[in-house]
Amino acid sequence: QKEVEQNSGPLSVPEGAIASLNCTYSDRGSQSFFWYRQYSGKSPELIMFIYSNGDKEDGRFTAQLNKASQYVSLLIRDSQPSDSATYLCAVVHSGAGSYQLTFGKGTKLSVIP
Amino acid sequence: DVKVTQSSRYLVKRTGEKVFLECVQDMDHENMFWYRQDPGLGLRLIYFSYDVKMKEKGDIPEGYSVSREKKERFSLILESASTNQTSMYLCASSSPTGLYQETQYFGPGTRLLVL
Repeated sequence: QKEVEQNSGPLSVPEGAIASLNCTYSDRGSQSFFWYRQYSGKSPELIMFIYSNGDKEDGRFTAQLNKASQYVSLLIRDSQPSDSATYLCAVVHSGAGSYQLTFGKGTKLSVIP
Repeated sequence: DVKVTQSSRYLVKRTGEKVFLECVQDMDHENMFWYRQDPGLGLRLIYFSYDVKMKEKGDIPEGYSVSREKKERFSLILESASTNQTSMYLCASSSPTGLYQETQYFGPGTRLLVL
């Protein structure tokens, strides 16, 4: 059973601070990792993906991957109230003819003005 | 811009009814997926399809079936709806551009209530 673990939160940070969201996964063979954002009542939308060890930056978002520790994180710099949402970590694994995502249960982030 | 649409945003059905949830994508994606999302349980894969007329079971296929007669359309069928199938149903699609970049794009979701 491939598992993806996230702290459910809520994680509360003040506006302008750095929010740090963490995710661990059980399948050591996993190659790619995605972060999705989901606003309440809406569907998930992709923030970014990462597949190499180290950091990947996109605007205010930085994904960090450590395959040896089976750990992936998302940092949000200069957090804004509009960042308040649930953040889903997803791990790719291969299946018949396709690649599937296993999702964590998500971390709820609240940015306090 | 990828667009995934689902036939209904909200649906109310009675126990024992046969329910059809439709999903259409306009980006010529090969892969399509059906998930359900429940509080505390997260997103769980029901079925997926990587080609027309092909289907594969996900983690929780019991009580569901699917149909993919055309590339752009993937239907989820609840053969005999039960109250424990009350949930948010999300459809997604992706194109196999490569292991590392196969992004799934989600539809808006259908919130199903079974009474």
